[in-house]
Amino acid sequence: GAVVSQHPSRVICKSGTSVKIECRSLDFQATTMFWYRQFPKKSLMLMATSNEGSKATYEQGVEKDKFLINHASLTLSTLTVTSAHPEDSSFYICSAWDRGGNYGYTFGSGTRLTVV
Amino acid sequence: AQSVTQLDSHVSVSEGTPVLLRCNYSSSYSPSLFWYVQHPNKGLQLLLKYTSAATLVKGINGFEAEFKKSETSFHLTKPSAHMSDAAEFFCVVTGGYQKVTFGTGTKLQVIP
Repeated sequence: GAVVSQHPSRVICKSGTSVKIECRSLDFQATTMFWYRQFPKKSLMLMATSNEGSKATYEQGVEKDKFLINHASLTLSTLTVTSAHPEDSSFYICSAWDRGGNYGYTFGSGTRLTVV
Repeated sequence: AQSVTQLDSHVSVSEGTPVLLRCNYSSSYSPSLFWYVQHPNKGLQLLLKYTSAATLVKGINGFEAEFKKSETSFHLTKPSAHMSDAAEFFCVVTGGYQKVTFGTGTKLQVIP
């Protein structure tokens, strides 16, 4: 089956620094990848949709300059949280859509970001 | 338009008794429906999915769900709860244009 690897699983960073989270589809090509954020005791909220080779589409209220998304290949998308602040601390999850439609959506295991 | 409603934010059952987690959906397209489980501080794990094949879908760890179009429901069940089932469960619907909608989650508590 399809596997999406998300790295790192946990990261602690200082305020003002940037953090990069990687999302890789290991055994399929992902035309489209999605980035979600999970607030405490809430469901997952879609932040942005990234399509390989083009700019990401951000949901309303998500700062594109703060959450930089790059989808340079069919197997890798990255989310960079720039100039992180404590309020950015959250659980971030990516998902990938199988280009061939064989596996549907597959989720990464998530990244717990703590900004101190 | 597309939406998913998880009717219970918390469900508490005794170990060994049946589990029922309810999910209703609406979609303008023929939907695909999923149930995911999230253990504390962990990522999402796919339990099962419905993609227009058999309406009764069997998943991992003894869970199953039945797609009922007339009731627009996709309830998750398990005959006998185990302590390790305690987690948060999300019902997810996907439809046209690859749009994904998550339910608000149901936290399952299993009492020994």
